[in-house]
Amino acid sequence: DQQVKQNSPSLSVQEGRISILNCDYTNSMFDYFLWYKKYPAEGPTFLISISSIKDKNEDGRFTVFLNKSAKHLSLHIVPSQPGDSAVYFCAASESQGGSEKLVFGKGTKLTVNP
Amino acid sequence: EPEVTQTPSHQVTQMGQEVILRCVPISNHLYFYWYRQILGQKVEFLVSFYNNEISEKSEIFDDQFSVERPDGSNFTLKIRSTKLEDSAMYFCASSDLRGETQYFGPGTRLLVL
Repeated sequence: DQQVKQNSPSLSVQEGRISILNCDYTNSMFDYFLWYKKYPAEGPTFLISISSIKDKNEDGRFTVFLNKSAKHLSLHIVPSQPGDSAVYFCAASESQGGSEKLVFGKGTKLTVNP
Repeated sequence: EPEVTQTPSHQVTQMGQEVILRCVPISNHLYFYWYRQILGQKVEFLVSFYNNEISEKSEIFDDQFSVERPDGSNFTLKIRSTKLEDSAMYFCASSDLRGETQYFGPGTRLLVL
């Protein structure tokens, strides 16, 4: 059951360049989407979220774009920094549908090279 | 900045033993969750808890699992009789409102031998 898919297991970018992490979903009832960052031996750290009523949300170097018709979202990090190297998880929920559970993708390991 | 804490960080147990994983959610949060991540797999939802009762649970959360808020600060996950396949990282999370951002603790690594 892969309702949330992150098809790229890894991504490598140069410091200062843009990192684009992608996520696709199949459940049209999802209405709230989040990105988490995770370092080894730590819990997921919340980065940024977006509601389905928006198509873009920005917070500093992080921007999330949502394309509902394509059931696709992406996280842009610009400029990328070596400290951004981590595993990034996309997660989704049916918050208006009465479910509180987050459904996670498998994650994309981002490496930012100095 | 307030954060979710979990104890212990690591737990090793024998198959068939009971384990209790502990969490202290962010103090003004009202919704509490447990997730787990088996090595190499996705983070999976186990259960959500609000107002002293389970509000939602997954198929994974069978009769071997239970949750409790024994006092005003702790939130626990009990596994009555552990199996080898229960070996995973267990994450606690909390949120202040239903459907809002969930904040995760650092996790407990459980190893069942």
